[in-house]
Order: sequence, then structure tokens, then C-alpha cells
Amino acid sequence: AQKITQTQPGMFVQEKEAVTLDCTYDTSDPSYGLFWYKQPSSGEMIFLIYQGSYDQQNATEGRYSLNFQKARKSANLVISASQLGDSAMYFCAMREGNGNYGGATNKLIFGTGTLLAVQP
Amino acid sequence: GAVVSQHPSRVICKSGTSVKIECRSLDFQATTMFWYRQFPKQSLMLMATSNEGSKATYEQGVEKDKFLINHASLTLSTLTVTSAHPEDSSFYICSAARVAFSTDTQYFGPGTRLTVL
Repeated sequence: AQKITQTQPGMFVQEKEAVTLDCTYDTSDPSYGLFWYKQPSSGEMIFLIYQGSYDQQNATEGRYSLNFQKARKSANLVISASQLGDSAMYFCAMREGNGNYGGATNKLIFGTGTLLAVQP
Repeated sequence: GAVVSQHPSRVICKSGTSVKIECRSLDFQATTMFWYRQFPKQSLMLMATSNEGSKATYEQGVEKDKFLINHASLTLSTLTVTSAHPEDSSFYICSAARVAFSTDTQYFGPGTRLTVL
């Protein structure tokens, strides 16, 4: 069965510093996708970054990068140059199927989240 | 692009009444939408998968007669909480799957906060 684990319930980081949020996963499907979402206090879920299981390179989106270590089944999110607006809940999620024309319709399984607080 | 709206954003109702929540994909068609609920300081739990033109698929433990889902068009899915009780108070979030590109994903609505008194 699919499982997503986020072991850090909360993290502090100084403004302008980098921070790594941990995520490990478990699945028996060779084809899967990994996601990170940000949820500010307003409640909306904001898509940050995606990594497919067959992708050779780590995904990057602006200040966000995903440290994908397939053998260790980890998909850590790295936020560089933290900003005060980065303070939010961060969720790692996985779906089986890596998004090739149909994977998007597969359900997501979410981790328990990490609350990030950026300090000035 | 990929905007999903939800209405209402917040609703307070009396115990025993029914509440309908709408989820719309504004700039793309979504054959599949998902409904999640989130209790305070907890993760999102998938309730059901809504497919246009067919019956929804409910997750284990979710009462299909209590949480009615209708996906009548490619841009609209509705969740009706029937005979709501205080324990149904939660944050309900929908998402819509956009399948146009190989790396497409689900896009989430802003959520609906339901309070049952």
C-alpha cells in the first residue's frame, strides 16, 4: 500500500536561509509521481513542484527544488532563500502513475505535513 | 490557468440540515474531481473520486448516502452533506484533474469551511 511519511511536524528557519523538508514514501508501483503543496493559513492548497518516478533529474521550480533519491525512497523539498511568506504548512503527496495522460486522474495520498515558520 | 473555485467559502448551518458545496474548474475541463476533508491541524483525507457522467467512488469508511456527490458536467462537481451534524464540521477541499500534458496534476479549490451547530 502507498504511504507517505513526513517526520518533521514543525521547522524554524531564518529568513534568507535554505531549509529542507523531509518526505519518504513507500509504494510497490514502479510508476508514480511525487508532489509538494503549500497550505497557508487561508487553507488553499498551492502546487509547488512535481517529480515523476522516471525523471532522471531533480525537479526545480524557482526557489523550490526536490531532492529525489529513488533508492532511499525520499523526496525532500528544498526551499532556498526563505522568505517570510513561505511560512505555511507543507504537504508531500504521492500518486501511482507518473502523469502520462491519465496519471492526473489517480488519487493523491498526503503526508501529515510540516509546519514551517520563517523568522525575520 | 488551472483555476478551481469552490462555493461557498464558509457556511454555518444547523444540525440536521443539508449543505451543498460546489467545485468548478474555471479554465479547463475536468473529467475527474476529488473531494477531501481536513480536520484542524491534520492532513487531507480523500473522501471520494468524482467522475463526470458516472457514480463517484468513495473511500473506505466514507458514507455515500451522507456525502452525495454529483459530477454533472466537465466543469462542475457538487458535494452535498446530508443531515449534517457537528462532527461533520470540517474543511472540505476539492481538486480537479487536468489531463492535457504529461506532467499535469490536480489543482485545488480554495476550500469550504463547514460549521454545523
